[in-house]
Amino acid sequence: DAKTTQPTSMDCAEGRAANLPCNHSTISGNEYVYWYRQIHSQGPQYIIHGLKNNETNEMASLIITEDRKSSTLILPHATLRDTAVYYCIVRANNNAGNMLTFGGGTRLMVKP
Amino acid sequence: DAGITQSPRYKITETGRQVTLMCHQTWSHSYMFWYRQDLGHGLRLIYYSAAADITDKGEVPDGYVVSRSKTENFPLTLESATRSQTSVYFCASSEWRGGGHSYEQYFGPGTRLTVT
Repeated sequence: DAKTTQPTSMDCAEGRAANLPCNHSTISGNEYVYWYRQIHSQGPQYIIHGLKNNETNEMASLIITEDRKSSTLILPHATLRDTAVYYCIVRANNNAGNMLTFGGGTRLMVKP
Repeated sequence: DAGITQSPRYKITETGRQVTLMCHQTWSHSYMFWYRQDLGHGLRLIYYSAAADITDKGEVPDGYVVSRSKTENFPLTLESATRSQTSVYFCASSEWRGGGHSYEQYFGPGTRLTVT
């Protein structure tokens, strides 16, 4: 699986959009970009994933650059409950058993 | 309630003892996983299972044993616990939806294990 690079930490004001970047310059053509988050003392939670098109669901939006070397997770209206560590993971989607390789992630602090 | 559960949630054991962590899921997902998370670090895969009676090693399998006699259960056993196995253990499950669709992993709440 391709390696990802994320900032160690970010702050965001409550109610504002949180934009979390991720670099994955060695991503392969069959690898998807996944985002998970981990709220303190809880198990990781799936947020969103994509291959090359931008994606949106009820939790977030995922913007993937045309060359697929980087992406941005957008939480449109961050709340205090969004304070968590956010993990960007790239993984081939050809086998459900493919492991998720968690790096250090970005610690997002949403402030009132 | 449907979902994925782990037990116990907290466990303290002594070095050299055998301890088993339980994981149960109600979705009938084919795949199940065990991860460990050490303080300040990301998760590392210990073992995974593609179906009942099929298991495979992950990134850090040494010192652990798994079994999967039933689809819904995936216990993790530390045969002789060591202090280096003090960690938070997460179980996860996923399913292959076919048609090129993803199969996100759903995680349990974790078991905090301390080996003294």
